[in-house]
Parts: sequence; C-alpha cells; structure tokens
Amino acid sequence: DTAVSQTPKYLVTQMGNDKSIKCEQNLGHDTMYWYKQDSKKFLKIMFSYNNKELIINETVPNRFSPKSPDKAHLNLHINSLELGDSAVYFCASRGRETQYFGPGTRLLVL
Amino acid sequence: QKEVEQNSGPLSVPEGAIASLNCTYSDRGSQSFFWYRQYSGKSPELIMSIYSNGDKEDGRFTAQLNKASQYVSLLIRDSQPSDSATYLCAVMRDTGGFKTIFGAGTRLFVKA
Repeated sequence: DTAVSQTPKYLVTQMGNDKSIKCEQNLGHDTMYWYKQDSKKFLKIMFSYNNKELIINETVPNRFSPKSPDKAHLNLHINSLELGDSAVYFCASRGRETQYFGPGTRLLVL
Repeated sequence: QKEVEQNSGPLSVPEGAIASLNCTYSDRGSQSFFWYRQYSGKSPELIMSIYSNGDKEDGRFTAQLNKASQYVSLLIRDSQPSDSATYLCAVMRDTGGFKTIFGAGTRLFVKA
C-alpha cells in the first residue's frame, strides 16, 4: 500500500502549456504539502493545506494553484509553464512526528 | 543568511568510519529538528528527529542539538556504502502551519 502517491511520475511538456499533478495520501493525515526540488537538490515548501484549508502559501507565482477537494487529496495546477518550472515536485503528508513524501513528479519544460 | 545551512560536500568517508554532518539554522524559535536521507532519484525519508538539547541515538545514528548555538548534527557510526546519499537537515516551527525549512543537503559518499 502506497502511503503518499503522485501522478504522473514524469511530465515533459512545452513552454506555455498548462499541467496538473495529483497527490493522494491514505494515512488519514490532516495536513499535506507541495515542495519543489530544483536541480541543486534544494527542497522548498510551496503550499500547505490542513483539512482542505490553505495554511501556508509561500512566495510562489500565481501560475501555481493548489486545490484540495478533500483532506486525502492535494493537487497542483500550473498555468503557462516556464523553463524555470522544471524541477521535481514532491507532495507530502504530515503525521505526528514527521512528513511522509510521495515519490515525486519530474517535470521538464522544453 | 540562509535559514538552514549545510555544507554541500561531498563528504567522503571510508567504510566503517564515523560520518559527521552539520547544520546551522537562523530562526531561534525553531522547535523541531529533523534529518532526512535522500537517495538519488528518490524521495526524502526521515532518519532522525530531535526536539530538545543533547543527544539522541537510534542504532548507528546519533543526532545532536544545541539550541544556544543553533546547531544540529548527525553522526553515522560504522558507515556503510549503503549510507551514501544526500542528507537533508530540516527545522520546523509551528506558525499555524508546521512550516518545515530544509537545508540544501550534504552529499555523503562511503567508500568500500
């Protein structure tokens, strides 16, 4: 059983396109996150939702819009993709002591 | 100044040696401290958490925290080639959202 799953695993697309990444957790946690990890491996928080409510919104271009239909799901929609959006995007779910990360979505914008 | 700073490495140690990884943080209000391990192409996984000053041991891993110096370290005893990975230091403060800030990571190579 996968605790935190993301789809797709890989995403290759052209500049200017719009794409979505989906995340689901089956751990029963209330809090979920989106992180971006760039080519230098720096992992940076983007958003956090607690029970469908946005609680952390870092300085992220408004082309990025998270959506949480229920507390088990947190999706990320990206409009007008740019070259600099190329990175690995990790979804995470927060338990009592730590966060559990999904496998990541490798996004390449050409 | 970065919020969480780590030496990017790479840190190379021979098999069986002690690997010492260091991290400093800038927010004195940080409450929780973590070490994650990330293998190439994989997601981060928690190996140690520490919340109060002093040492915390778990198997071959020891985390050390000194809040006065704003310093966290991880010692890996009897290093194995399978320990070769990037180690991410993370600090968390509950600002209403349990925001976790990660360092850029230290790459560790354990030579057989």
